[in-house]
Amino acid sequence: QKEVEQNSGPLSVPEGAIASLNCTYSDRVSQSFFWYRQYSGKSPELIMSIYSNGDKEDGRFTAQLNKASQYVSLLIRDSQPSDSATYLCAVNRMDSSYKLIFGSGTRLLVRP
Amino acid sequence: SQTIHQWPATLVQPVGSPLSLECTVEGTSNPNLYWYRQAAGRGLQLLFYSVGIGQISSEVPQNLSASRPQDRQFILSSKKLLLSDSGFYLCAWSVGSNNEQFFGPGTRLTVL
Repeated sequence: QKEVEQNSGPLSVPEGAIASLNCTYSDRVSQSFFWYRQYSGKSPELIMSIYSNGDKEDGRFTAQLNKASQYVSLLIRDSQPSDSATYLCAVNRMDSSYKLIFGSGTRLLVRP
Repeated sequence: SQTIHQWPATLVQPVGSPLSLECTVEGTSNPNLYWYRQAAGRGLQLLFYSVGIGQISSEVPQNLSASRPQDRQFILSSKKLLLSDSGFYLCAWSVGSNNEQFFGPGTRLTVL
């Protein structure tokens, strides 16, 4: 079992819809969770950080964390074609605080 | 504000040649620094990380090495490149216990 798992996609949604990206992790001692956006040929960009159970909203983005279910998600409201990218989930484990464990990413396509 | 620079942006090198990639961070002190590699269509692989000058931790045995001669400078080197060293090399920095990492623009290396 991978430490951080994401569906590779592509996830295709129409413009204006809500895109829901999911990530599960295996280590219960994980304490910090991050979502990165990576456009093709570019470096990853940090878009959301979440540390406690519940929802965290930033503009059109909402991160949701459920530590009991070991699940973190990213919702993108009013999806735009410019949101088309690969979204990487990353987890920081308590026992190796200097390292992030990355998922392989979900490719999102927003259709105009 | 903090900025991170990497150079060169692209590099084409023959097999067996040496390599030196440089990363510098501005606007912060005593950052943790990281080198990642992303092969085409693949996830991020942590190669090295450093918590201070001269302190290097290696994650994957390979023909690469890293050095941190100054607080905000991180260098990735190789004496003899292999075909398998081709990829997108990313430098990242973080400060604080939450380990939010911020990536540089990357260096795309092709070994022929």
